[in-house]
Amino acid sequence: GAVVSQHPSRVICKSGTSVKIECRSLDFQATTMFWYRQFPKQSLMLMATSNEGSKATYEQGVEKDKFLINHASLTLSTLTVTSAHPEDSSFYICSAHNAGSTSNQPQHFGDGTRLSIL
Amino acid sequence: GESVGLHLPTLSVQEGDNSIINCAYSNSASDYFIWYKQESGKGPQFIIDIRSNMDKRQGQRVTVLLNKTVKHLSLQIAATQPGDSAVYFCAEKITGNQFYFGTGTSLTVIP
Repeated sequence: GAVVSQHPSRVICKSGTSVKIECRSLDFQATTMFWYRQFPKQSLMLMATSNEGSKATYEQGVEKDKFLINHASLTLSTLTVTSAHPEDSSFYICSAHNAGSTSNQPQHFGDGTRLSIL
Repeated sequence: GESVGLHLPTLSVQEGDNSIINCAYSNSASDYFIWYKQESGKGPQFIIDIRSNMDKRQGQRVTVLLNKTVKHLSLQIAATQPGDSAVYFCAEKITGNQFYFGTGTSLTVIP
């Protein structure tokens, strides 16, 4: 149980392209999902918290107009990297919290999306 | 708080030995902690968690120790196997369901 699916797993595209990444909770409902970015040999950096039916909350230094988040249903959040440039190349990972669980429960992670901008 | 821009420390152990991975956290108000394992090209996998009202918790071949006095967390892996080679992160709960991740440690098991 508690499976999170992330798609696509890898994207290679030209500079200036906008890229959409999907994060789905397959067997539970997630009112809250989280988007992280991870550079090689570094830790996960929280970018934003995606809230179902409301605006996302962005961490300091993360441009909300650059990284558009939509969480229109209890099982799907999307992250769109708009007008991507080479410095946006990274490993993007989503996680989800089971809305039906009690407090102090782990997040469940997708397998990440490797984004490479040429 | 969040560890940003730091490169991963590494740990090499012989197969069959025990491994100890350490983590320092910054928020004395954090009441919940998790250890995750991340294999190359994949997302983090849950290993074990601990609440702040506990000092120790054991799982299958893994033990987590929590020292709230010095804000230190450790993960002990018994009889380390090649399949344990990965990057290990501790995560502390900040608010609600939001977590910040530690720097991480890259574990290499030598056959």
